[in-house]
Amino acid sequence: DAGVIQSPRHEVTEMGQEVTLRCKPISGHNSLFWYRQTMMRGLELLIYFNNNVPIDDSGMPEDRFSAKMPNASFSTLKIQPSEPRDSAVYFCASSVDGTGELFFGEGSRLTVL
Amino acid sequence: GNSVTQMEGPVTLSEEAFLTINCTYTATGYPSLFWYVQYPGEGLQLLLKATKADDKGSNKGFEATYRKETTSFHLEKGSVQVSDSAVYFCAPAYSSASKIIFGSGTRLSIRP
Repeated sequence: DAGVIQSPRHEVTEMGQEVTLRCKPISGHNSLFWYRQTMMRGLELLIYFNNNVPIDDSGMPEDRFSAKMPNASFSTLKIQPSEPRDSAVYFCASSVDGTGELFFGEGSRLTVL
Repeated sequence: GNSVTQMEGPVTLSEEAFLTINCTYTATGYPSLFWYVQYPGEGLQLLLKATKADDKGSNKGFEATYRKETTSFHLEKGSVQVSDSAVYFCAPAYSSASKIIFGSGTRLSIRP
């Protein structure tokens, strides 16, 4: 079975550019999470969706960040404009509601110069 | 609010040593408790879980027991291997919501 699929795996961009990260959750999972991981701040929950609806976006750093889930099989995390402090590994994870067991993608490593 | 506190790392041990990584949580309810592991260059993956008090989760030689009286879920392994080198995350999950908050992670390094 395919796991959570993220793209791109690596992205290097310049400050001010728009970045779009993509995630395909596991089929049948109804919760989707976006996390950001850095050495300084560890693993931070940015936003999570349940049945395609954003439930809690309190972890989204600021208005430059936005996330969408137009259907059950696709989500995007967009940063516009990007800044060097956004450099991190961004993980997408999915789960079946209420189980607490998350399945993570391999992450998207973002470097903003 | 709900939170989790993990043992600070990094932890460095010799192969075949005994491992304990402490985890305590604060909870307003009765969460399920999880340990996740992150190997270098990968995403997190579930290591073990326990869903109610006194349950013991186990996998790959690791064990953790859900202790409601001390609100703890310490991770243990009797004899670690070099391949256990990774970052370990404790995470309570509250059944009333899907939101899952991870501890700060404990980096474990095993010397041959």
